Amino acid sequence: AQKVTQAQTEISVVEKEDVTLDCVYETRDTTYYLFWYKQPPSGELVFLIRRNSFDEQNEISGRYSWNFQKSTSSFNFTITASQVVDSAVYFCALSGPNTGKLIFGQGTTLQVKP
Amino acid sequence: GAVVSQHPSRVICKSGTSVKIECRSLDFQATTMFWYRQFPKQSLMLMATSNEGSKATYEQGVEKDKFLINHASLTLSTLTVTSAHPEDSSFYICSARPRGRGSTDTQYFGPGTRLTVL
Repeated sequence: AQKVTQAQTEISVVEKEDVTLDCVYETRDTTYYLFWYKQPPSGELVFLIRRNSFDEQNEISGRYSWNFQKSTSSFNFTITASQVVDSAVYFCALSGPNTGKLIFGQGTTLQVKP
Repeated sequence: GAVVSQHPSRVICKSGTSVKIECRSLDFQATTMFWYRQFPKQSLMLMATSNEGSKATYEQGVEKDKFLINHASLTLSTLTVTSAHPEDSSFYICSARPRGRGSTDTQYFGPGTRLTVL
C-alpha cells in the first residue's frame, strides 16, 4: 500500500526565517514519483516539483529546495528566507508507475508572519 | 501552459437535488482525468479515474451511483453528484493527464468547485 505522511500539521514562522516541511512516504513500487503542491487560500493547487524514484539529486529553485533520500523514504521541502506570500497549505504526494493516481499527505499549513 | 477549467466554481443547492460539475482541458487533449474531493482542512482524496470512452474506475468506498462520471470527449469530464446531501458538501478538484503521456508527466489541476448542500 502507498502512504504519505506529513507529520507537521501547522508551522508558524516569522518572515525571513528558513523552514523545512517534512514528507515521509511508503510504497512497494520500485518506480514511483513524488510531488509537492502548494494550495493557497483560493484553493487552487500549484505544482512545485516532481521527482522520480531514480533521481536522488537534490534540487534548488530560487528560495525552494528539495532533499530526496530513498534510504529514509523522505522528500523534504525547504523554503529559505520565507515570505508572507509563502503562507499556504503544502501537500506532498506520491504516485505509482502506471496509474497516475496521486496519494496525498495530510498537508502542512505554513503561516509566515511579517 | 496546460490549462484545466472547472465549472461552476461555486454551487449551492438544496438537499435532494443533483449537481453537475464540468472539468475541461482547454489547450490539450486528456485521455485520463481524475476527480478528487477535499473536506475542510483535510487532504485531497481520489474519488475516481475517468478514461475517455470507457467507464470510470472508482476508489474503494466511493459510491458510483451517487457520483456519476462521464468522460465524453478528450477535453471534457463531468461529475454529477446525485441526490446531494449536506455531507456531500466539499471542494471537488479535477486533474487531467495529457494524451500520449504516461504517468511520468505532471497532471494539471483545475481550480476546484466548492459545493454546498443546504
